[in-house]
Amino acid sequence: AQSVTQLDSHVSVSEGTPVLLRCNYSSSYSPSLFWYVQHPNKGLQLLLKYTSAATLVKGINGFEAEFKKSETSFHLTKPSAHMSDAAEYFCVVTSPNTGNQFYFGTGTSLTVIP
Amino acid sequence: GAVVSQHPSRVICKSGTSVKIECRSLDFQATTMFWYRQFPKQSLMLMATSNEGSKATYEQGVEKDKFLINHASLTLSTLTVTSAHPEDSSFYICSARPADSYEQYFGPGTRLTVT
Repeated sequence: AQSVTQLDSHVSVSEGTPVLLRCNYSSSYSPSLFWYVQHPNKGLQLLLKYTSAATLVKGINGFEAEFKKSETSFHLTKPSAHMSDAAEYFCVVTSPNTGNQFYFGTGTSLTVIP
Repeated sequence: GAVVSQHPSRVICKSGTSVKIECRSLDFQATTMFWYRQFPKQSLMLMATSNEGSKATYEQGVEKDKFLINHASLTLSTLTVTSAHPEDSSFYICSARPADSYEQYFGPGTRLTVT
């Protein structure tokens, strides 16, 4: 079985400070992991993905995530938050043994305080 | 590349009418398309998976007679909400997956409001 847990439903940071959005996954097979961002009333935009290559993945807009198999984690980070980063973030896991179905986390709402 | 469009982006309809939402893959062929529903401040809920030329597979609890899905070509899938009611108001998002790929590419979503 596969699942994703996003540990924080809301995260609030000051502009210019680091961002950490936590994601833990459960997968019985080699997973692929994704982070998506969703701005209000918009679709999902892919930030980055892990597909069994380098464990440290760099994405768009300065975001990166590290795949840690021992901790079953794929936390999203950014060194310095920008006001435009305020949005909803979703962690997603998939793997071939479940037909590559996407399993979504419940989302983390990021607020950036000026 | 890998652009998915949805039309319309917003629709308001009266209770009891039907509304059709289109999902198109603009620059690739999608053998599989997915329809999701998203309630306010919640995650995406998979409604159904459609493969080109065959019947859609619906998730448990999703009424197939209410949410009609057609995937007649490799670039187009449609979701028709039949006899819509206010509780069907939601944000509907489609995604498309190319052959020999596990990635899904998401459309921008359609906001349905039933009055």
